[in-house]
Amino acid sequence: DIQMTQSPSSLSAFVGDRVTITCQASQDINNYVNWFQQKPGKAPKLLISDASNLDTGVPSRFSGSGSGTDFSFSISSLQPEDIATYYCQHYNNLPRTFGQGTKVEIK
Amino acid sequence: QVQLVQSGAEVKKPGASVKVSCKASGYTFTSYGISWVRQAPGQGLEWMGWISTSNGNKYYAHNLQGRVTMTTDTSTSTAYMELRSLRSDDAAVYYCARAYGDVWGQGTTVTVSS
Repeated sequence: DIQMTQSPSSLSAFVGDRVTITCQASQDINNYVNWFQQKPGKAPKLLISDASNLDTGVPSRFSGSGSGTDFSFSISSLQPEDIATYYCQHYNNLPRTFGQGTKVEIK
Repeated sequence: QVQLVQSGAEVKKPGASVKVSCKASGYTFTSYGISWVRQAPGQGLEWMGWISTSNGNKYYAHNLQGRVTMTTDTSTSTAYMELRSLRSDDAAVYYCARAYGDVWGQGTTVTVSS
């Protein structure tokens, strides 16, 4: 099974800061990576698919990049409504494992 | 609109079974597979398995094989996930999601308590 190692587990930043989360796959997964945002008590929401494609309606301050085994997710200018936990997930094959999650907070 | 609506919260005793439903609407049910994901309190997302809604092929996470069964009823556009021999660590919110995660159900809380 492919393992997804996500870091950091949590981060705290000021409004307006750029934040970056990384995800490393245990083997080559091409660009088959999703990034999800989950707010407390809510279902996850798909932000990015295919490593870098923004889902419809997702603000352009969110972005993703990478291919092979190394991937990153960024928020260019952190906003108060971005407080959430973010997860990567691969879909190169089954099982489609998730990263451990990154909790993003405001300083 | 495209949506997945799940069944309500369940309270079960250890050793019992639970069956969660996920009814799709707003799209052709058999065009997209369904994944099941769970989240224990305060924990991350755990991928449980996937079922093809067109041919019934399924894949279960290794740690759940033997206890989980995923099925679909194409006549009602509904997917089901049954988990047997419930343990305390099965207490979680269970989600269904379409295909690669673009649409999610609202979640079903399963409590396991004697």
